[in-house]
Amino acid sequence: QKEVEQNSGPLSVPEGAIASLNCTYSDRGSQSFFWYRQYSGKSPELIMFIYSNGDKEDGRFTAQLNKASQYVSLLIRDSQPSDSATYLCAVKASGGYQKVTFGTGTKLQVIP
Amino acid sequence: EPEVTQTPSHQVTQMGQEVILRCVPISNHLYFYWYRQILGQKVEFLVSFYNNEISEKSEIFDDQFSVERPDGSNFTLKIRSTKLEDSAMYFCASSSQGPNQPQHFGDGTRLSIL
Repeated sequence: QKEVEQNSGPLSVPEGAIASLNCTYSDRGSQSFFWYRQYSGKSPELIMFIYSNGDKEDGRFTAQLNKASQYVSLLIRDSQPSDSATYLCAVKASGGYQKVTFGTGTKLQVIP
Repeated sequence: EPEVTQTPSHQVTQMGQEVILRCVPISNHLYFYWYRQILGQKVEFLVSFYNNEISEKSEIFDDQFSVERPDGSNFTLKIRSTKLEDSAMYFCASSSQGPNQPQHFGDGTRLSIL
């Protein structure tokens, strides 16, 4: 069973701070890694994706991937109350499979 | 920005009835998916569809479920003889050509089985 693990939170950070969200995965052959944001009652919204080891930055968001440690993280700089949501880590396996396995998500609360 | 559209937004059905959930994927996308999310739980993969056939399915996707692309734009999920435990949000997603392309989700259909 290929698993994606996240701390369910809630993770509370003050407005303007850096939020750090973490995810580990069990399938060493995984190739693609995605972060989705999900507001309550809404659908997952793609935030970032990363394929290679290292960092990838997009605006206030930075995704970090370490395949050796089977670890992927999302940093949100200058956190805003509108960033309050559940952040879903999603992993796609190797071998041409299209299935994406989701973690349970980390609930982020940004306190004004 | 192109988006995945799903109808209806909410479907209420009696147990044992059949339901069809509809999706219009992003127009130039080639891979289509259905996921479900039971309230308070994680998003779960059901099925992927490519080149007019199922390319992958989960153990959840049993004989009760079927998918179809009846024309060039729609992608449907049919659930026969619905059960109470089928109550969930059902999300359609699509992605473009390529092994690592991200999947873009529709707003979902909330299915309530009574």
